[in-house]
Amino acid sequence: AQSVTQLDSQVPVFEEAPVELRCNYSSSVSVYLFWYVQYPNQGLQLLLKYLSGSTLVESINGFEAEFNKSQTSFHLRKPSVHISDTAEYFCAVRRVQVGANNLFFGTGTRLTVIP
Amino acid sequence: DTAVSQTPKYLVTQMGNDKSIKCEQNLGHDTMYWYKQDSKKFLKIMFSYNNKELIINETVPNRFSPKSPDKAHLNLHINSLELGDSAVYFCASSSTGKKAYEQYFGPGTRLTVT
Repeated sequence: AQSVTQLDSQVPVFEEAPVELRCNYSSSVSVYLFWYVQYPNQGLQLLLKYLSGSTLVESINGFEAEFNKSQTSFHLRKPSVHISDTAEYFCAVRRVQVGANNLFFGTGTRLTVIP
Repeated sequence: DTAVSQTPKYLVTQMGNDKSIKCEQNLGHDTMYWYKQDSKKFLKIMFSYNNKELIINETVPNRFSPKSPDKAHLNLHINSLELGDSAVYFCASSSTGKKAYEQYFGPGTRLTVT
C-alpha cells in the first residue's frame, strides 16, 4: 500500500518570501509523484509531476519539486510567492504499474500568502 | 469548454433520502473516478471505473453505487443518506495505459445531509 504524509497542515508566508511545502511518501513499489493545487471553491489542478528522469521538476508558475528517493520525499518549493498562490496543496502518489491509476493523497497543506 | 463537469454543485438533503450526483467528461478518457473530500480536506478514492472494470474501495458503504451509462459519464448514487456522508465529492477522469499519469478533476459537489 501507498501512503503520503504532509506534516504541515498550514503554512503562512509573507508575499515575495520563499516557501517549502513538505511531502513524504511510503511505498513498497515504485511510484509516480504529483502535486495538485486546489484554489478556493474549485477542483484540483495538477501542478507538477515526477515520472522519471531528472529529479527536479518545475511548473509554469515558478514552483518546483525535487524527488529524493533515499529520503522518500517530494517537497514543493517556490523562491518568491504571490498572493495568488494562496490555496490548498496536495501531494499524491500512484503506483508505476500500468492500470494502477488510483491516486493516494496526503492531507493537504494550506498555503496562505500574507500581503 | 469544461473538461470534467459535475452537477449539482451544491446538494442539501435530509437523512434517509436517496440522491445522485452526475459527472461528465469531454476529454475522451476511458477511466473515471469518484473521490470524497471530508471536512478536514482529506481526499480518498471511492471508485475507479472503465468499461472493463469497476474497482471499489473496500471502505465505501454499499449505499454508494457508481453508474456509467457510457464512457463519458459516471454518476454516483447514494441511498439512505447519513449525516457522515456530508462532504465534497469530486469526479475525475484519465486515460489508461502507460500515459495515464494525470487525472483531471471536476469542480466538486458539496453534499450536506441534515
